[in-house]
Amino acid sequence: GAVVSQHPSWVICKSGTSVKIECRSLDFQATTMFWYRQFPKQSLMLMATSNEGSKATYEQGVEKDKFLINHASLTLSTLTVTSAHPEDSSFYICSAATSGTGELFFGEGSRLTVL
Amino acid sequence: AQSVTQLGSHVSVSEGALVLLRCNYSSSVPPYLFWYVQYPNQGLQLLLKYTSAATLVKGINGFEAEFKKSETSFHLTKPSAHMSDAAEYFCAVTVTSSNTGKLIFGQGTTLQVKP
Repeated sequence: GAVVSQHPSWVICKSGTSVKIECRSLDFQATTMFWYRQFPKQSLMLMATSNEGSKATYEQGVEKDKFLINHASLTLSTLTVTSAHPEDSSFYICSAATSGTGELFFGEGSRLTVL
Repeated sequence: AQSVTQLGSHVSVSEGALVLLRCNYSSSVPPYLFWYVQYPNQGLQLLLKYTSAATLVKGINGFEAEFKKSETSFHLTKPSAHMSDAAEYFCAVTVTSSNTGKLIFGQGTTLQVKP
């Protein structure tokens, strides 16, 4: 199947700094990518829908200025957690939809720990 | 609005026993339903999906699920559990009228397989 890669897999940062997480579709073009957040032992909560070349659509309750999403190409979307705080610590997962069948593939996830 | 409810946050079975993970959905449009598996600190892997074709869907690793409209259910089963099946399982429904797009996940069910 298609491959979606996230980088970094693990990141630890100090409170107040910004962290960028990349989501890449390695062998297909993805016009749409989705960003999810998962707290320990909990389900995935959709944060935003990222469309190539346009502004992301955020879910209710997600701060767009806090979680900056950029989808500059058909194979890359980035999530930047700005001025991170300990409560932002979480597992962030992206998924990408193939432009052909529209099937979704998930990245391996990125674990963010804010000290 | 669409939603899914997974009954039982934790299911424990013996190796070789039947696996039954329950999922009920709510949808105002004909749903597209999915089962995903997640291993620790990893992304999600698609087990199977229902996209309005056959109501009995066979997936990977011996899993299958049956769509029952009258019961609004999409329970996941496997005749004989294997130790490697121990993981977190998520049922999901799309919020669009296609089989792609945003997914709404259930709360997840942890499957424990005892030797």
